[in-house]
Amino acid sequence: DAGVIQSPRHEVTEMGQEVTLRCKPISGHNSLFWYRQTMMRGLELLIYFNNNVPIDDSGMPEDRFSAKMPNASFSTLKIQPSEPRDSAVYFCASSSNRAYNEQFFGPGTRLTVL
Amino acid sequence: DQQVKQNSPSLSVQEGRISILNCDYTNSMFDYFLWYKKYPAEGPTFLISISSIKDKNEDGRFTVFLNKSAKHLSLHIVPSQPGDSAVYFCAASAPPYDKVIFGPGTSLSVIP
Repeated sequence: DAGVIQSPRHEVTEMGQEVTLRCKPISGHNSLFWYRQTMMRGLELLIYFNNNVPIDDSGMPEDRFSAKMPNASFSTLKIQPSEPRDSAVYFCASSSNRAYNEQFFGPGTRLTVL
Repeated sequence: DQQVKQNSPSLSVQEGRISILNCDYTNSMFDYFLWYKKYPAEGPTFLISISSIKDKNEDGRFTVFLNKSAKHLSLHIVPSQPGDSAVYFCAASAPPYDKVIFGPGTSLSVIP
């Protein structure tokens, strides 16, 4: 299995632009998580899906952030408009209900908003 | 308010010695704990876990100890190797175990 796939690996954009991060979970996993890692706050859970349905989005910072999971093999995290304080590494992770919380992380997307 | 705390941002240890990484939690509902390891430019990977029905779990050079009354757990690495140099995240989960809460991480450097 290729593991969790994220694209792009790096994104540099200007303030005010729309940014879309993409994730392909491991096949057969039914939970998908989006995290943000910063020096100040460590790994923060933004939102997670179970069977393609958003379960908890309480970690989403504000309305500029949105996430979708149109099917079991694809999810997006969108920031519109982006701001410099959104600069961070964004991770996607997936897990199986049989794996008891063991989450498999993608390599992350490093976002820089100028 | 951070529910999972790792008060040491960094730790340096000589190769061959023991590394002890500490973690404290505040939510008494947490009863399943995990450690993840992260190398630069990679995502975190699962290392070891422990359920609150145990106070120790061992996997090779890695042992996790849990002190429920103190709401404290620690990860011991013996002997430490240079390849163990990474950021270690402590994480905790509560029923229905649908998500985990991560601590801020501790950066371990093992010096040859």
